[in-house]
Amino acid sequence: AQSVTQLDSQVPVFEEAPVELRCNYSSSVSVYLFWYVQYPNQGLQLLLKYLSGSTLVKGINGFEAEFNKSQTSFHLRKPSVHISDTAEYFCAVFSGGYQKVTFGIGTKLQVIP
Amino acid sequence: GAGVSQSPSNKVTEKGKDVELRCDPISGHTALYWYRQSLGQGLEFLIYFQGNSAPDKSGLPSDRFSAERTGGSVSTLTIQRTQQEDSAVYLCASSHSTDTQYFGPGTRLTVL
Repeated sequence: AQSVTQLDSQVPVFEEAPVELRCNYSSSVSVYLFWYVQYPNQGLQLLLKYLSGSTLVKGINGFEAEFNKSQTSFHLRKPSVHISDTAEYFCAVFSGGYQKVTFGIGTKLQVIP
Repeated sequence: GAGVSQSPSNKVTEKGKDVELRCDPISGHTALYWYRQSLGQGLEFLIYFQGNSAPDKSGLPSDRFSAERTGGSVSTLTIQRTQQEDSAVYLCASSHSTDTQYFGPGTRLTVL
């Protein structure tokens, strides 16, 4: 089976401060990893993804994530957040053996002016 | 091109009634997913269609829930004898193989 754990349900951070949203996964086979963002009253959209190659992945809006196979993690980072980054962020994993995408429960990022 | 569309955008129904939610995926996408998003519950997987394979129904919460995908395109999620706990936003997503999922705007279901 595969699973995704997002360790923080809510993360408040001041504007222009750095942020890290944590994601850990479990799977017995190789995986693809995703971060999606959901702005208030909108659907989910892809922020970034790791399929293969470089473990540091850059996405839209200045976000990046690093795939760490030994720690089974895919944490999302941004060096300086903006008010507009206030949203809910979902980590997701797909593994070939399971043939399905599994989402974490989401982390609400609240940027404080 | 057109994205994933869902209809209706909002649905208010009375307890015990049946409802049908529709999803039009992106043309050519072989995979289609249904999720339920409840307040404080995150994204709950319901059902997954992949090409002509039998759907993965492992996430359906009860036998009141069913879904079909006609002609490998449009999908309908049916909830029979709705209960108040069925109130949620129902999201549909499609993808080409194992890659990025493209989500629709969702249907907000309210059961009175």
